[in-house]
Amino acid sequence: SQQGEEDPQALSIQEGENATMNCSYKTSINNLQWYRQNSGRGLVHLILIRSNEREKHSGRLRVTLDTSKKSSSLLITASRAADTASYFCAPEGAGSYQLTFGKGTKLSVIP
Amino acid sequence: SQTIHQWPATLVQPVGSPLSLECTVEGTSNPNLYWYRQAAGRGLQLLFYSIGIDQISSEVPQNLSASRPQDRQFILSSKKLLLSDSGFYLCAWSVKVLGTQYFGPGTRLLVL
Repeated sequence: SQQGEEDPQALSIQEGENATMNCSYKTSINNLQWYRQNSGRGLVHLILIRSNEREKHSGRLRVTLDTSKKSSSLLITASRAADTASYFCAPEGAGSYQLTFGKGTKLSVIP
Repeated sequence: SQTIHQWPATLVQPVGSPLSLECTVEGTSNPNLYWYRQAAGRGLQLLFYSIGIDQISSEVPQNLSASRPQDRQFILSSKKLLLSDSGFYLCAWSVKVLGTQYFGPGTRLLVL
């Protein structure tokens, strides 16, 4: 199965700054999903980007996908304290049948 | 709208005791169902997934088992818990096998 690796493992920023998290994967994909997990809670789906898309927006979220580099990035603009959470990517590998989550990026937004 | 429930929310069990965690989904039919475990500081590990009643696949050899007695009910069990079974257990469902997954609130299990 295809597993994404998020980078950095932890990120601490001031409220109002932008936060960028990266995801790398190893084989070709059909789609790639991003999820958020607040401490002690379940994961929440944020956005899905298809392999033929290069960029996608949802509110303050911007996701990019570079299939040639096998990487994706999640940008959160004008961060808020409520954005403090762990963020996971889940690449959907071509021919795979399950999502595989990495260890995530733990984002701390300091008020 | 669809909702997913897990219980209990927290559980403290002695080593060697049995385990039963329950997950139910409302508002949808024939969902794909998943059990994950998240150990402290680690990513999510897929334990079991089910694409239908009597269709359960295990991803990791362990002393856990899963059952799906009803279309929207998924149960995670163990006959004898180990210390290493401690963790945060998440149930999820999806419409498609590789579609968006919707997670429950989780069960925090501590084995002492």
